[in-house]
Amino acid sequence: EPEVTQTPSHQVTQMGQEVILRCVPISNHLYFYWYRQILGQKVEFLVSFYNNEISEKSEIFDDQFSVERPDGSNFTLKIRSTKLEDSAMYFCASSAQPSTDTQYFGPGTRLTVL
Amino acid sequence: QQQVKQSPQSLIVQKGGISIINCAYENTAFDYFPWYQQFPGKGPALLIAIRPDVSEKKEGRFTISFNKSAKQFSLHIMDSQPGDSATYFCAASLKAAGNKLTFGGGTRVLVKP
Repeated sequence: EPEVTQTPSHQVTQMGQEVILRCVPISNHLYFYWYRQILGQKVEFLVSFYNNEISEKSEIFDDQFSVERPDGSNFTLKIRSTKLEDSAMYFCASSAQPSTDTQYFGPGTRLTVL
Repeated sequence: QQQVKQSPQSLIVQKGGISIINCAYENTAFDYFPWYQQFPGKGPALLIAIRPDVSEKKEGRFTISFNKSAKQFSLHIMDSQPGDSATYFCAASLKAAGNKLTFGGGTRVLVKP
């Protein structure tokens, strides 16, 4: 069964450093998302991406965040200057097309900012 | 308002019992209401979903009840099994907003054998 994959599974970084979280969505999917989950809290929407541009972003997704689809398979989330409060699980999700509601989530990347 | 409120935060049920999780939403424009199941160390996985034109949907042991006038929906897990022990999230989305999911706070369910 096709699945969303994410790398790395765990990333430890120093405050102020840049990190790139990588996702490989399901191959025929066109709509991509990033969500985050701070430990013990609910899953929060960060950004959606379609047709090589951001469709929607939340208040959390400020100038330190960016997303990119550098090739036909990868979808990345970059955090330019990490803060302690960026420590969270980051989930990538994808859906087949904009009109399809079902989003399939990856296993997540645990980001720890020290 | 985009909030989705979920209760209870945690639930302990005996094997074979019924688990009931409730969610309430504020935005009447939401048009899709999924439930996700999450095991430790894993991403959320879609369990079952409903649209507001339907009052109930059943898939196996899982049933969603939807009350549009009350802006509430609930998940019932019948004949709960130890393998159902997980965190359950309700969510809501709006097609006009790119289907971004607004999640509830989650319910940790423990099914005792």
